[in-house]
Amino acid sequence: DSGVTQTPKHLITATGQRVTLRCSPRSGDLSVYWYQQSLDQGLQFLIQYYNGEERAKGNILERFSAQQFPDLHSELNLSSLELGDSALYFCASSEDREENIQYFGAGTRLSVL
Amino acid sequence: AQTVTQSQPEMSVQEAETVTLSCTYDTSESDYYLFWYKQPPSRQMILVIRQEAYKQQNATENRFSVNFQKAAKSFSLKISDSQLGDAAMYFCARGNNDMRFGAGTRLTVKP
Repeated sequence: DSGVTQTPKHLITATGQRVTLRCSPRSGDLSVYWYQQSLDQGLQFLIQYYNGEERAKGNILERFSAQQFPDLHSELNLSSLELGDSALYFCASSEDREENIQYFGAGTRLSVL
Repeated sequence: AQTVTQSQPEMSVQEAETVTLSCTYDTSESDYYLFWYKQPPSRQMILVIRQEAYKQQNATENRFSVNFQKAAKSFSLKISDSQLGDAAMYFCARGNNDMRFGAGTRLTVKP
């Protein structure tokens, strides 16, 4: 168990809908990262938050947004969903010290039908 | 784009034998980190080993070791005494906060 909690584990929705994925980082970790993994592909970095502030942005679509709350949990919002958004979405957290080791949650599997 | 390349989509190894997974990367930074993550069928991402670019000594974690060639931007993973539980997708990654992952190598371990 990495200590990073993601909910829900599975999500099935229809095109055009909006969903919210939630992530609770490990205790003491200030940074949260979001990744997208499409079928049989590598991980694509979406966005990073550090202590409530956006710190780095990757290949995140404009239909997607994220935020980190004062209690350090994070939410990834996906709107106007398309079939191609079906993927495994991972959250990771790190202390943001020099070691920079990211610990991953179990992921949320999103199916857009 | 600063990329990470894993040139072996699939690899196979006999149980108890040794296998090496290749990874090359591109970066303009002088200080960075390199990682190998394992993703078993459960899809959980598990850190296998980490290398700091400013350290010349190759990292080792039990049966897992790396061959880090900074000038060549190469970072291969060697798995010794392979076990059935090593079967998984292996991802090489480069970076600090902005982590870049390779496409992965699927490792099969034959009994």
